[in-house]
Amino acid sequence: DAGVIQSPRHEVTEMGQEVTLRCKPISGHDYLFWYRQTMMRGLELLIYFNNNVPIDDSGMPEDRFSAKMPNASFSTLKIQPSEPRDSAVYFCASRQGGGTEAFFGQGTRLTVV
Amino acid sequence: RKEVEQDPGPFNVPEGATVAFNCTYSNSASQSFFWYRQDCRKEPKLLMSVYSSGNEDGRFTAQLNRASQYISLLIRDSKLSDSATYLCVVPGGYNKLIFGAGTRLAVHP
Repeated sequence: DAGVIQSPRHEVTEMGQEVTLRCKPISGHDYLFWYRQTMMRGLELLIYFNNNVPIDDSGMPEDRFSAKMPNASFSTLKIQPSEPRDSAVYFCASRQGGGTEAFFGQGTRLTVV
Repeated sequence: RKEVEQDPGPFNVPEGATVAFNCTYSNSASQSFFWYRQDCRKEPKLLMSVYSSGNEDGRFTAQLNRASQYISLLIRDSKLSDSATYLCVVPGGYNKLIFGAGTRLAVHP
């Protein structure tokens, strides 16, 4: 298996633009997590899904952020409009069942100028 | 109180030293714990799971203290290649995973 695949790896965009981050979890994994990492705040859980259904989105900063998982093999995290404070590394991770380890994608480094 | 707390470090130790990290958590119902390692500009990767009875993997030992609600990671005979950030992971409700902010370790010659 290729592991968790995220795209793009790097994104530079101007303030106010829409940004869409993509994630393909490991096949057979039923949990998918979106995290954001910054030096100041560490690794924050934004939202996670179980069997494509959002379970907890309390970590989503504000209405500018939205996430979807239309099927078991694809998820998106969208920021509209983007702001400079959204600059961070965004990780997607997946796991099989509860109690098991999560596997991370390589992350998307987002810079909003 | 934060759900997971770690000393951010950095811990600067010479090669061959023994170093220990602690991580405290607030959810007493937590069952499955992990230690992850993250290298600079890379994704976190599983280092080891933490079992109730404690577990050892080579130079690494992880322990769980439920009464005091903390997990620990002990690294013996530190190598230069151990330099990284170590993240403890605590399960939250509904199988979510909550990461600590990480402890940075720097091993020098």
